[in-house]
Formats: sequence, structure tokens, C-alpha cells
Amino acid sequence: NAGVTQTPKFQVLKTGQSMTLQCAQDMNHNSMYWYRQDPGMGLRLIYYSASEGTTDKGEVPNGYNVSRLNKREFSLRLESAAPSQTSVYFCASSELSSSGANVLTFGAGSRLTVL
Amino acid sequence: AQSVTQPDIHITVSEGASLELRCNYSYGATPYLFWYVQSPGQGLQLLLKYFSGDTLVQGIKGFEAEFKRSQSSFNLRKPSVHWSDASEYFCAVAPNYGGATNKLIFGTGTLLAVQP
Repeated sequence: NAGVTQTPKFQVLKTGQSMTLQCAQDMNHNSMYWYRQDPGMGLRLIYYSASEGTTDKGEVPNGYNVSRLNKREFSLRLESAAPSQTSVYFCASSELSSSGANVLTFGAGSRLTVL
Repeated sequence: AQSVTQPDIHITVSEGASLELRCNYSYGATPYLFWYVQSPGQGLQLLLKYFSGDTLVQGIKGFEAEFKRSQSSFNLRKPSVHWSDASEYFCAVAPNYGGATNKLIFGTGTLLAVQP
């Protein structure tokens, strides 16, 4: 009953370093997402993957890349981390309900600090 | 542009008191509406959702929300708050057509504190 699993939970980077956040879901969902959460700003969509093999930019994609490795896994990469990327990152997945709405299931989050 | 407003950044209520968290949206048509709760250090959990039909929807943990089209609101309520309800609450909206996977918009959240 894992749902959406994110790793790592915490990470500290120096400016310019790179890293990859991993996300896996075991609910056989087609769509997956990466959000960032900053104080007073709610959640903002970085990238999403509507289905295996496709990825698209969200509201705040600059400085990030993603890979939809297979149906289960969706990774987020920071090639050259900047202090502005200090945030809590959430992965989510969804499937269309019978009404046509996507209901998202979230992971527990990854707290990233860039010094 | 579509938007979601949660006008209360922080609310404090006494345990056992009633609660109402406000959510207003700006959208061209009736959207899908959601409330999520985030406990400290945790991800977001779906409390309830409105797609169509009865405008009063029931959710988990004793929460309910009422969709009011005339006011473009979807306020969250609970008749008696428990200390364990202290969390951050997010309202979210999405277009009411299928497949819009990238269009979910979140409010900025309301942080609820519960006094003993």
C-alpha cells in the first residue's frame, strides 16, 4: 500500500551541484507530476507527464528536467542547483475518474536546500 | 486567468468549536473543486471533491464543503474541531473537461491552529 514514494526525503546541495529526485507509484496511474511548494505560494506545477512517453512543462519549468522512465517512475533533475530552487518538492500521480476529473495522490515530499 | 483565493492565511480555533475555511475561485465555468489537507512534514491528502450534483459534499475526518455557484465559493466546514485537525488546508480547482491533467490550480493555503 505504498502509493507514491519519493526519494530522498531531505537533501542539501551547494550552488551548481546537480541531483535527481526520484518518484515511483504503484497504483498503475497514467499521469504523474512534479510540484514545488514555497511559503505563501501554494503548490506550483513544474512538469507533468500525461502518459508514459510524454512530458510537458508546467508553470515553473526553468532549471529542471524530467524523465518518465516507465509507467511507474518519474524523475526530476536539477542540472545546476540555485538557491532559488530551495523548496519542498512533491511528486503526484493520477488517473481519470469516471466523471473525467483527475484526482491526485501525493508523495510525502522531498525537502531540498541549496546553499 | 483562472485563480483560487484562500483569504485566510492563518486561523486559530478552540478545540470543539466550529470551523469554516474560505475558498473563492475565478473561472469561466463550474470547475472541479477539491480540498486537500497537509499535516506537518507530510504530503497532501484529499479531503473531499465536488464534480457535479449535490452542492454539499461530505469528506473524510468529518469535513464537508458547500459549492455556491453564485458566490464562486467552495468553503470547507467542520462542526467540531479536534486537536488533530491542526494542519494546512489547500483548496484547488481544475477545468471540468476530461484529460486536463496539467490544469489543477492550488490556493496558497490556510494554516489551522487548534487551541486546547
